[in-house]
Amino acid sequence: AQSVTQLDSQVPVFEEAPVELRCNYSSSVSVYLFWYVQYPNQGLQLLLKYLSGSTLVESINGFEAEFNKSQTSFHLRKPSVHISDTAEYFCAVSNAGGTSYGKLTFGQGTILTVHP
Amino acid sequence: ETGVTQSPTHLIKTRGQQVTLRCSSQSGHNTVSWYQQALGQGPQFIFQYYREEENGRGNFPPRFSGLQFPNYSSELNVNALELDDSALYLCASSFTGTAYGYTFGSGTRLTVV
Repeated sequence: AQSVTQLDSQVPVFEEAPVELRCNYSSSVSVYLFWYVQYPNQGLQLLLKYLSGSTLVESINGFEAEFNKSQTSFHLRKPSVHISDTAEYFCAVSNAGGTSYGKLTFGQGTILTVHP
Repeated sequence: ETGVTQSPTHLIKTRGQQVTLRCSSQSGHNTVSWYQQALGQGPQFIFQYYREEENGRGNFPPRFSGLQFPNYSSELNVNALELDDSALYLCASSFTGTAYGYTFGSGTRLTVV
């Protein structure tokens, strides 16, 4: 079985400050890792993903996440946040292949609130 | 790409009733999954369909069932609704698995009273 733990349920931060949203996972097999963002009353949007290769992955809007296999972590970072980054962020994991590779296991979510 | 469309956006049902939620996947996406997101929680995997066959199921009872059609549309059916079924139901489609990343719809908010 897989599990995902997002270590902070809420993260308040001021505009232009850096932020880190923490995610740890547990799995007995190789994994793919994802960060999704959910704005109020909307579905999930894929922010970035790690499939293989470079352990540092980036999104087009300035977020980055680093896969750390030894620490089973996939923390999300942004050096300078904007008001528009206010949303809920979900870390997710799936098997890298196998019969259930289509299934995503999500964490509980982290609400990022950016204050002016 | 046309995205993933879900209908209806909101729905209120009475305990014990049956409900059908609909999803129209992106063209060419032959994998569809359904997730239940209770208030304040992360999404929970209900089941996945690949080429019209269920090929994965989460920890949900048999009263949760689904169908996938050749035209990339799908349905989630829930029988004998319970109050705890109140949630946002998300449909996600992909081209053969998560390696390409799921595209999620905006969801159907189901309230059971």
